[in-house]
Amino acid sequence: DADVTQTPRNRITKTGKRIMLECSQTKGHDRMYWYRQDPGLGLRLIYYSFDVKDINKGEISDGYSVSRQAQAKFSLSLESAIPNQTALYFCATSGRLAGELFFGEGSRLTVL
Amino acid sequence: TQLLEQSPQFLSIQEGENLTVYCNSSSVFSSLQWYRQEPGEGPVLLVTVVTGGEVKKLKRLTFQFGDARKDSSLHITAAQPGDTGLYLCAGPFYNQGGKLIFGQGTELSVKP
Repeated sequence: DADVTQTPRNRITKTGKRIMLECSQTKGHDRMYWYRQDPGLGLRLIYYSFDVKDINKGEISDGYSVSRQAQAKFSLSLESAIPNQTALYFCATSGRLAGELFFGEGSRLTVL
Repeated sequence: TQLLEQSPQFLSIQEGENLTVYCNSSSVFSSLQWYRQEPGEGPVLLVTVVTGGEVKKLKRLTFQFGDARKDSSLHITAAQPGDTGLYLCAGPFYNQGGKLIFGQGTELSVKP
């Protein structure tokens, strides 16, 4: 089983719908991240959390929210999806600041 | 503006050729990481370079960190189809709390 698991892997939705992407990890890491990947733009940080009570905005947080339900679970929500949020979303964990990131397999979201 | 600029963005070569991918910045980084991402998967760490001028080898891959710690390169000798993928450099940016920022990526295709 993967150490970092994302669900769903693929989702197609319509403009205005609320979407939640979920991430769970078995690595025992405190630090969890949500990134968005678009062609030619690399990975951009949406939100990150260094422990259960800590939530921080990344460089592109507008239109997104997160919840850290437990050390092992970090979910990303799009309250009202729009087409330019169509992208590949990755959850990642790390054991220390600026250390190696361990990524999930990604959640491909299409907003029509 | 990308803090980490990768070049080239796309590279298509024949099996057996050599290639170099560059990762450049105007900022100094305490370390740089290189990740490889295969289709349908999340990025996986290849190497971390820490010391200016450092050279690390991983089989046919050679990684170098610039003396001034503002740039890095990845050289692949005798590329194989299995090297195909997206190569990403990443570094901790302390103006963003030390979180990792990523370059845009280099899409490598090695044809048999």
